[in-house]
Amino acid sequence: DAGITQSPRHKVTETGTPVTLRCHQTENHRYMYWYRQDPGHGLRLIHYSYGVKDTDKGEVSDGYSVSRSKTEDFLLTLESATSSQTSVYFCAIGKGDGGTGELFFGEGSRLTVL
Amino acid sequence: AQSVTQLDSQVPVFEEAPVELRCNYSSSVSVYLFWYVQYPNQGLQLLLKYLSGSTLVKGINGFEAEFNKSQTSFHLRKPSVHISDTAEYFCAVSGTGGFKTIFGAGTRLFVKA
Repeated sequence: DAGITQSPRHKVTETGTPVTLRCHQTENHRYMYWYRQDPGHGLRLIHYSYGVKDTDKGEVSDGYSVSRSKTEDFLLTLESATSSQTSVYFCAIGKGDGGTGELFFGEGSRLTVL
Repeated sequence: AQSVTQLDSQVPVFEEAPVELRCNYSSSVSVYLFWYVQYPNQGLQLLLKYLSGSTLVKGINGFEAEFNKSQTSFHLRKPSVHISDTAEYFCAVSGTGGFKTIFGAGTRLFVKA
């Protein structure tokens, strides 16, 4: 257990509203990631962070922004949610210094955009 | 850039039969390879990993995988499956230097009694 907590675990919102998902870790890992999981696509990387205020885009970053003001928290924001962003979102941390790509995952946040 | 192809979207198998879940990857650099398992309504957990050394790696729950560099494959095997192995399995790859891990689309394993 790498001490990862995602909140909220479930959220239903309407198209056009902003949404923020939070990932909190307790073990001071440098690398943190946001993935989305959709049937037939596996997990796709949205954004990742390699330190406080250091972030970069993944495969499917359009429509998403992230922030990391503290080592332990990595926030994913949908500025104006769309139905195509209905998905399960997973936060992950990179084990050790992140150099192998081995990941520990949170339990996921299920987002429904109506 | 790396990519991962899981060749089977669903694999039905009878209990106590052997199973192989296939994974091919492409990469222009040396890689680290992983298999993750996801049980219903849960997050992903690491099943096994190849970082270096022996190309045959053993993981939890009796699973093993073999890294084949010439065929760019990392197939997952288990000699005798149980009902409790029913889950979705994901193959993943990261380049040396890590930092970004790319996942395949997943294979759903159904174990039937």
